[in-house]
Amino acid sequence: EDQVTQSPEALRLQEGESSSLNCSYTVSGLRGLFWYRQDPGKGPEFLFTLYSAGEEKEKERLKATLTKKESFLHITAPKPEDSATYLCAVRVDAGGTSYGKLTFGQGTILTVHP
Amino acid sequence: GAVVSQHPSRVICKSGTSVKIECRSLDFQATTMFWYRQFPKQSLMLMATSNEGSKATYEQGVEKDKFLINHASLTLSTLTVTSAHPEDSSFYICSARELDSSNQPQHFGDGTRLSIL
Repeated sequence: EDQVTQSPEALRLQEGESSSLNCSYTVSGLRGLFWYRQDPGKGPEFLFTLYSAGEEKEKERLKATLTKKESFLHITAPKPEDSATYLCAVRVDAGGTSYGKLTFGQGTILTVHP
Repeated sequence: GAVVSQHPSRVICKSGTSVKIECRSLDFQATTMFWYRQFPKQSLMLMATSNEGSKATYEQGVEKDKFLINHASLTLSTLTVTSAHPEDSSFYICSARELDSSNQPQHFGDGTRLSIL
């Protein structure tokens, strides 16, 4: 069974204090790992897609990396506006009628204090 | 680009009412749309995959007669919660993926908060 586990469940940082969020996965036939940001009462906002081990993507203060077992979302010098829930999701090659559906982790609630 | 609009954003209604939620891709065509349900402080749980021109594919445990899905065009999918009861109260979110782009990300609407009294 495909599993996606995110840690920590919640993370509190001071503004400017860099850290990393973890997404561990156990799947067969990974066809993409996706990072999303979700603000309260809103739908997830797409951040990154990673396809193969060793791949890295960056956007402003965020950098996502991927290995064969996990992905990290590094946050450099975070600001209060980076506070949100960060979700990772995997798409697996299930063939047939899977239509590329995603399996989500539980998310990490990030709070950045000024 | 890649904007998904979901309507309404909030619904409050009496038990036994049927509620329709619309999901539109505004600037792209989507062969496939997805419907999720999210409980407070929990992650997204896929309910069903909506395919234009064919029957939706429901996840295990989701009642297809309870949650009716129609994907009539490449830009519109609807979810109807029939005879809603308080236990159906939740945050429903749709997503869409661009046509012929199986490796592209899903783009999400802003969700519908459904409250059944």
